[in-house]
Amino acid sequence: DGGITQSPKYLFRKEGQNVTLSCEQNLNHDAMYWYRQDPGQGLRLIYYSQIVNDFQKGDIAEGYSVSREKKESFPLTVTSAQKNPTAFYLCASSIGGTRAQETQYFGPGTRLLVL
Amino acid sequence: DQQVKQNSPSLSVQEGRISILNCDYTNSMFDYFLWYKKYPAEGPTFLISISSIKDKNEDGRFTVFLNKSAKHLSLHIVPSQPGDSAVYFCAASGVSSSNTGKLIFGQGTTLQVKP
Repeated sequence: DGGITQSPKYLFRKEGQNVTLSCEQNLNHDAMYWYRQDPGQGLRLIYYSQIVNDFQKGDIAEGYSVSREKKESFPLTVTSAQKNPTAFYLCASSIGGTRAQETQYFGPGTRLLVL
Repeated sequence: DQQVKQNSPSLSVQEGRISILNCDYTNSMFDYFLWYKKYPAEGPTFLISISSIKDKNEDGRFTVFLNKSAKHLSLHIVPSQPGDSAVYFCAASGVSSSNTGKLIFGQGTTLQVKP
């Protein structure tokens, strides 16, 4: 049963703490993405990776970091430098490569809350 | 700079009637457009897409129309059902050397279908 999993569903962060959100896919997709959704707003791109061991900043990368050591995994770390981390975080994947006109498929999301 | 805009934050229709959700874009380089449906606290689900070489694409109760000259697309749902009540996002992508595969999302429109 192919798909994208994100864990945990809810995550609490204390002031000054780094937290890592997990994203795993078994769709054999090359490209993976991280988005942030705030209330009443659309999805904003944080980071994306078109291939293993390579990633690029999206529109709102400040205060976040990622790694792409395996094709299946694209973890996102929310660092203490991110001053407003409370949001719903969504991971997505697509077939990738240099194809255009790609459909992205999303995971169930992680809600991050600051204590 | 909002490249993809959904100017109606909400829409309410009666069950069985047509729902029309609208989306405008500003970037003439966009050539692929998608609609996603999202329930609260869940990831977006892909609904339907359209390439810029077409002006209409149909899938069951869902039809997307693209007017390139007006830079406007719309999603028609006929007939509307209570289970269609959700937030609908339009998204766009375009071919360029720097952003292949990246999607730009609108702010979303909340659809309520009343029984």
